[in-house]
Amino acid sequence: EAGVTQFPSHSVIEKGQTVTLRCDPISGHDNLYWYRRVMGKEIKFLLHFVKESKQDESGMPNNRFLAERTGGTYSTLKVQPAELEDSGVYFCASSQDLGAHGYTFGSGTRLTVV
Amino acid sequence: QKEVEQNSGPLSVPEGAIASLNCTYSDRGSQSFFWYRQYSGKSPELIMSIYSNGDKEDGRFTAQLNKASQYVSLLIRDSQPSDSATYLCAVPPGASNTGKLIFGQGTTLQVKP
Repeated sequence: EAGVTQFPSHSVIEKGQTVTLRCDPISGHDNLYWYRRVMGKEIKFLLHFVKESKQDESGMPNNRFLAERTGGTYSTLKVQPAELEDSGVYFCASSQDLGAHGYTFGSGTRLTVV
Repeated sequence: QKEVEQNSGPLSVPEGAIASLNCTYSDRGSQSFFWYRQYSGKSPELIMSIYSNGDKEDGRFTAQLNKASQYVSLLIRDSQPSDSATYLCAVPPGASNTGKLIFGQGTTLQVKP
């Protein structure tokens, strides 16, 4: 079984540019989560999809962040325009069942905004 | 007060010793608790979950939960250099069953040969 796949693994962009991160969850997993770890801080929840619907987007920092999950398969997280404070590692996770029984994380995308 | 607190360390133990990692949480309604291990540059990996007061053992790992004290710990027996990593405590908010997790900052463990 393939794991949670994220790409790119690294992205360096200039302030003001747009970046799109992609997450492919484990096949059949309806629940997809995005998290972010900013340097020196804890991993923080961004949002949760159940299939194609946003179940909880309480952690999205502001309207520069847009997450989609068309068709309930892969998800994208777009940052437009990127700011310096958006730098960090963005993790995606997926699970089959609803509920925090522990889920599988992807390897993350390290975003650097310069 | 942070919702989930961990000592960032580093915690240094000699090979073969017991490593004790601690975590406190603020929400009395939390019902489930998770320990993740994260090697440098890698993704968090679930290693233990605990739901009831007391101890839960899995191989060299033991999770301990005390809901009255709002405290959860992870013991690693016979520590190996390969256990050197950051250990993350994660707790769902309240009695939430949506899968959202609140993470502590993590404790870095160094096991010295």
